[in-house]
Amino acid sequence: DSGVTQTPKHLITATGQRVTLRCSPRSGDLSVYWYQQSLDQGLQFLIQYYNGEERAKGNILERFSAQQFPDLHSELNLSSLELGDSALYFCASSQGQGNGELFFGEGSRLTVL
Amino acid sequence: AQTVTQSQPEMSVQEAETVTLSCTYDTSESDYYLFWYKQPPSRQMILVIRQEAYKQQNATENRFSVNFQKAAKSFSLKISDSQLGDAAMYFCAYRSWGGSQGNLIFGKGTKLSVKP
Repeated sequence: DSGVTQTPKHLITATGQRVTLRCSPRSGDLSVYWYQQSLDQGLQFLIQYYNGEERAKGNILERFSAQQFPDLHSELNLSSLELGDSALYFCASSQGQGNGELFFGEGSRLTVL
Repeated sequence: AQTVTQSQPEMSVQEAETVTLSCTYDTSESDYYLFWYKQPPSRQMILVIRQEAYKQQNATENRFSVNFQKAAKSFSLKISDSQLGDAAMYFCAYRSWGGSQGNLIFGKGTKLSVKP
C-alpha cells in the first residue's frame, strides 16, 4: 500500500458528461501529480500541484482541470467527456519537488460510453 | 522532444532464471534521470530502480540491475532469479534533470510473464 488513495476505483459515464476524480496523497506529501494511461497514448503526465499551486503542466486537455485543496487532497475534473477519454487515471504524490520518489495510487478506471 | 522506446511488447522467463528488458531513449540533454517502473495486476505503479545520467556506475537494487549505456542511449533492466511476483508490466521512463519531478516520459511497456 503506497498510502495514496484514489476514488472512485471505477466509473462509467456517458459522452458529454462531467466527472471528478479524487486523490488523497500520502501523509506529509505536498506534491500531487496526475497521469492518464490509455491504450492509444500510453502513460502521460497531465499536471502537478505543489502545496496548492500548479507547478507543471503536461499533456492536459483544456476540457480537464485540476486543483489541490488546503488539506492537500486533489481533484481532477474531466468535462465534455468523449469516448477517447476512457482511461486509467493515476494520482501520485511526493514529499517535495526535488528528487524524491513518487508514490502512485491504484488509479481510477474511467469508461465513457 | 524526448522519446522512450521499449521494443519488446511481451517477454517470458522461467522462474529462477534471468531476463533482460530493453529500453532506448532519444534526447539532446546531457543530464537526466531514467527509471524502471513495475505495474502489477493491482495497477499500482511501483518504482523498481532509477539511474542518474551523470553516474557511470549502473544502479542495482537487490535482484534488479540496469545496464546504462549513455552514448548508445540504452537503459536495459536485468532481473535475476526471477520470481512469480515479478510478473507485471514494466515501464521505462525518462525525466529531464531540471524538469518537474513528475514529468516523466514513459515507454509503451513490456509485459513480463514468469513461468513456474
